[in-house]
Formats: sequence, structure tokens, C-alpha cells
Amino acid sequence: AQSVTQPDIHITVSEGASLELRCNYSYGATPYLFWYVQSPGQGLQLLLKYFSGDTLVQGIKGFEAEFKRSQSSFNLRKPSVHWSDAAEYFCAVGPPYGNKLVFGAGTILRVKS
Amino acid sequence: DSGVTQTPKHLITATGQRVTLRCSPRSGDLSVYWYQQSLDQGLQFLIQYYNGEERAKGNILERFSAQQFPDLHSELNLSSLELGDSALYFCASSASGTGNEQFFGPGTRLTVL
Repeated sequence: AQSVTQPDIHITVSEGASLELRCNYSYGATPYLFWYVQSPGQGLQLLLKYFSGDTLVQGIKGFEAEFKRSQSSFNLRKPSVHWSDAAEYFCAVGPPYGNKLVFGAGTILRVKS
Repeated sequence: DSGVTQTPKHLITATGQRVTLRCSPRSGDLSVYWYQQSLDQGLQFLIQYYNGEERAKGNILERFSAQQFPDLHSELNLSSLELGDSALYFCASSASGTGNEQFFGPGTRLTVL
């Protein structure tokens, strides 16, 4: 069965520090991979996606993610975190020719000044 | 703003009642997806419609049903409501039925008392 694991439920980083959020997936083939962000009381906003090609993908708000097939991982990174990045982050996988997304449990990011 | 609209924003009702949640997809998008977000289950795919036809089903209860109308808006009907149905219900849309990124609406928060 398809599954997504985000091992960190909460992460706290200082403003200006670097960030890495982990995501591992279990899937029969290489899926499409996504990172979404959800601010309190808001819907989900797509940060970036990986379909194929270059394994390092750039997204909005200065985020990037790297797909590592050998590790079944798609970790999200940002070199310098801003207080406005505090939110919940979800990794998701979807089949290349399918439809439904399977989401991880989410990682809540807290930014301290 | 993703371009996906959902109404109402909040809904409070009693057990045993029936409610209808409405979603308007982004202009030009043919697919609509419904997801449920709860504290214990996380984000779960419920159902997908593509151009008026049901395309995929997830963990949707028999008490729940959905439809997509000719103007492509969708409604999710929840009946015989139970306390455990309290959740955030998201609608998402995508351009096609498969393999595309999904854009999420702001959600409808349902509280069953």
C-alpha cells in the first residue's frame, strides 16, 4: 500500500537558520511527489512538485526539495527560515497516471526569534 | 488564492443531520477532489469527479455522497452525521483527471454537536 512518512511531528528552528523536513514514501514505482504548506485556518498551498527529470526541484518562497530514489525520500529544505514560514507542512505522493494524493501526517514548523 | 472556492467556511450542526458542502473549481479545471482532514485520520482522499463522472473513490463512508454538475461545481453531501464526522473538508481541483497538481480550496470546517 502507498504510504508517506514524515518522521518529525514538530520542528523548531531559529529565524535565519536552515531547515530540512523529512519525507519518506512507500510506493510501487516512482510516484509524483509534492510538498504542501498549510497556515492556521488556511487551505493547502502547493510549494513544489516532482514529476521527473532533475531531482532537485525549486519551489515558491525559497523552498527546494531533493528526490532520492535510492532512499525513497523527498526532503524539503530552505537555507534561511523566516518567521512567516511557521506553518504545517505536508508531503504527498500521487500516481503518475492516477489521481488521489496520499498525504503524510504533517510536520508543524515553529520559528523562534 | 488558489482559485478554488468552498462554501460555507464553517458549519455547525447536530448529530443525525444532513449537510451539503459546495466547491467551485478553478476556471478550466475539469477534476474535483474531496478530502477530509481530522486530527486522528489526517488528510484522507474521499472521492474524485472528472467532468461530471465519478473517477476514483477513497475512504468515503456510505453516508457520504458527492456529485459534479454540468457547470463543474461539486457538492459533498454528508448525512446521518456523527460526532466523528467533525473535520475540515477540502475540495481540490486539477486540469485533468490524472497526474496533475491539485489546487486546494480554503476548506469547510464542520462541527457536529
